[in-house]
Amino acid sequence: SAVISQKPSRDICQRGTSLTIQCQVDSQVTMMFWYRQQPGQSLTLIATANQGSEATYESGFVIDKFPISRPNLTFSTLTVSNLSPEDSSIYLCSALGQNEKLFFGSGTQLSVL
Amino acid sequence: SQQGEEDPQALSIQEGENATMNCSYKTSINNLQWYRQNSGRGLVHLILIRSNEREKHSGRLRVTLDTSKKSSSLLITASRAADTASYFCATELATRTYKYIFGTGTRLKVLA
Repeated sequence: SAVISQKPSRDICQRGTSLTIQCQVDSQVTMMFWYRQQPGQSLTLIATANQGSEATYESGFVIDKFPISRPNLTFSTLTVSNLSPEDSSIYLCSALGQNEKLFFGSGTQLSVL
Repeated sequence: SQQGEEDPQALSIQEGENATMNCSYKTSINNLQWYRQNSGRGLVHLILIRSNEREKHSGRLRVTLDTSKKSSSLLITASRAADTASYFCATELATRTYKYIFGTGTRLKVLA
């Protein structure tokens, strides 16, 4: 099983600023994903982080707001830009491990004031 | 859009009882997985069932899949207080995108 380190675990940010979340996997993985979980809700897929190329975004999510980098097979970052209170959520990094199981980081709790 | 709808949304049972959660989905899938989430943080993988399988077991967990009804159920037997968590089903579409779409979740509370 893959072990995923995600940081920061939580942050409080001011409106209009940006937050970058880092995700480190302890082994090389083909697929990495970013999810958002709004308070009391389920997980919504933001994008697939593609190694060496632009991320693939789901409907309702755009690169300008959620730029993603994936420089190699073990690391990815998600930036949430121009923050507003509506961005207050938990953001989760995940990786597809062997046997098609998804592994998750512990999440980043973002609060925007 | 949400692929899976789960019911019940919330479930409260006594320790030792069995808990059953159901997941329905809309389109053909390659596989379905169940996850547990404690305190709104990272998710833990519980069990994966493929579209050509009908039932799988893992410890106190039993998962069934009915592709004709597009539904799955998760049974936790002899529940414990430590089973208190939110449970989500996640489906991978049959088109093999490797993307997983999560259901709405069931909040389980096991009372000691």
